[in-house]
Amino acid sequence: AQSVAQPEDQVNVAEGNPLTVKCTYSVSGNPYLFWYVQYPNRGLQFLLKYITGDNLVKGSYGFEAEFNKSQTSFHLKKPSALVSDSALYFCAVRDGAGGFKTIFGAGTRLFVKA
Amino acid sequence: GAVVSQHPSWVICKSGTSVKIECRSLDFQATTMFWYRQFPKQSLMLMATSNEGSKATYEQGVEKDKFLINHASLTLSTLTVTSAHPEDSSFYICSARGGGLAGDNEQFFGPGTRLTVL
Repeated sequence: AQSVAQPEDQVNVAEGNPLTVKCTYSVSGNPYLFWYVQYPNRGLQFLLKYITGDNLVKGSYGFEAEFNKSQTSFHLKKPSALVSDSALYFCAVRDGAGGFKTIFGAGTRLFVKA
Repeated sequence: GAVVSQHPSWVICKSGTSVKIECRSLDFQATTMFWYRQFPKQSLMLMATSNEGSKATYEQGVEKDKFLINHASLTLSTLTVTSAHPEDSSFYICSARGGGLAGDNEQFFGPGTRLTVL
């Protein structure tokens, strides 16, 4: 069975500083990994995904994530945080071996202070 | 990009009534649609997966008689919460698996429907 862990409930960072939101996963096959962002009372917005290829994936709004197979991690990063980045971030995983069931992590709330 | 809409965006109903939520893929055909439920400050919990023209597959612990799912066409799935109770109040989000131009590996999410049962 697949699972996703986001070890931090909340991440606080000052505007202009780099940010990292952590995610680790477990799947039996090849992982398909995703990051989504959610603003209050809104649906999910896709940020980026890793299916295959380069381990460093670049996505929307300046975000990127690095796939690390040995550490089974897919941490979300941004070099310089903006106050508008404050939101709820979800990591998600799908087992590439079959099926289309996507499992979401518990979410990490990001606060960026001005 | 591919767009998924939900209607209504929010609904308030009395306990004991039924509520229908629609999920539409606007510019692509969705071979599979998914319904999620999200409690305040919590993650998305997959409720069920539906393929067009067949019965939905429900996750463990989800009452299929309470949450009726109909995927009658490649662009429309509906979730009906029957005999709603206050504990059914939640944020319901659908997503659709695209095909063709939308890409078969992509999953697109609707904006969500907030249900409040009084």
